[in-house]
Amino acid sequence: DQQVKQNSPSLSVQEGRISILNCDYTNSMFDYFLWYKKYPAEGPTFLISISSIKDKNEDGRFTVFLNKSAKHLSLHIVPSQPGDSAVYFCAASADQGAQKLVFGQGTRLTINP
Amino acid sequence: DTAVSQTPKYLVTQMGNDKSIKCEQNLGHDTMYWYKQDSKKFLKIMFSYNNKELIINETVPNRFSPKSPDKAHLNLHINSLELGDSAVYFCASSPFQGSKTQYFGPGTRLLVL
Repeated sequence: DQQVKQNSPSLSVQEGRISILNCDYTNSMFDYFLWYKKYPAEGPTFLISISSIKDKNEDGRFTVFLNKSAKHLSLHIVPSQPGDSAVYFCAASADQGAQKLVFGQGTRLTINP
Repeated sequence: DTAVSQTPKYLVTQMGNDKSIKCEQNLGHDTMYWYKQDSKKFLKIMFSYNNKELIINETVPNRFSPKSPDKAHLNLHINSLELGDSAVYFCASSPFQGSKTQYFGPGTRLLVL
């Protein structure tokens, strides 16, 4: 039973355009959401996060939107750059002492020149 | 300076063998984790330690035994390796037990033949 789902295994976007990566979750106890970026042969690196008390968080070219009623979040990258080509993982956690992150299966983003 | 390091990076071994994967973090973090990325690319938590104390133990076969000699190290020992143990294993750390953001190592790719 996968509580966090990224239904698009891959996405191809032209350089300079907007990349939109989507993530859905089923557990209403999740209250914190994160996006991680992963290059081949490296570990995931933290990109941006959002608390459930917000619906938007922005950091430079990256913006995460949260729609709690739809149990949906998205990551917008604008403008997309070739270095953004990577696998993006969505993760969620519930408010508890031990922070257990539940990950989606990732979306491979390719930025075409 | 690598923040979270894992050794070895690759491990190829026969079924039935016992092997260990080592993890070290030089970030001064209190909490460390082991995740398994399976063939479907989901990252799933296995264990978490806070200041050398086990705080998360997901439904993992008892052939897997984590050991934390000090808060900078969390090693994973696997007995009687099986084909299904083939995966990429990621170590991660976070500043303290309630911290939401985790920092990942580069991963150890284990192949059981």
